[in-house]
Amino acid sequence: SQQGEEDPQALSIQEGENATMNCSYKTSINNLQWYRQNSGRGLVHLILIRSNEREKHSGRLRVTLDTSKKSSSLLITASRAADTASYFCATLHTGTASKLTFGTGTRLQVTL
Amino acid sequence: DAGVIQSPRHEVTEMGQEVTLRCKPISGHNSLFWYRQTMMRGLELLIYFNNNVPIDDSGMPEDRFSAKMPNASFSTLKIQPSEPRDSAVYFCASSLAGTGIHEQYFGPGTRLTVT
Repeated sequence: SQQGEEDPQALSIQEGENATMNCSYKTSINNLQWYRQNSGRGLVHLILIRSNEREKHSGRLRVTLDTSKKSSSLLITASRAADTASYFCATLHTGTASKLTFGTGTRLQVTL
Repeated sequence: DAGVIQSPRHEVTEMGQEVTLRCKPISGHNSLFWYRQTMMRGLELLIYFNNNVPIDDSGMPEDRFSAKMPNASFSTLKIQPSEPRDSAVYFCASSLAGTGIHEQYFGPGTRLTVT
């Protein structure tokens, strides 16, 4: 299976702290994307990193990619209660056309 | 753009009944995906289309499930007959293939309950 795995499965932090989520995958990729899902809603694209990139920033989000270890991390700095959601990594694997393979997700809880 | 539109948002039906879920992708997108999400199994890709043609239906659980995309602006996922284990949230997503990016845009989902 190419399915990515995220860890931790669940993360609870206080507002203002940083949250780090990790994603591992098994086969070569074209790009890796992170999505967010609020309870009861569809997934929303957050950020994309290409296979030839090592780090990307977008606002309070920082994504790193290590293709040698087949892993990525998502860092949310200065977390807010509104960041409470599930976060999924998704990989576009070489030779799979437009199909993304989603990970199992990390459930983030940010408390006041 | 209104984004990906799914209907109905909620569906409650009895075992054995036919269920049809509908999806309108974002205009101009040429890839469409159907997913199922449950607590136990997470997010599963059921089937996806490129330019209205089914490319990969290996995720379709069994013959009770079928999907069609008669044109670029409409797709259906049908379950016949439905069973309680089909209860889940079904998402439709669309993307623009050919850019090398393939960012997917998800609809709000249809919550299906089969009693």
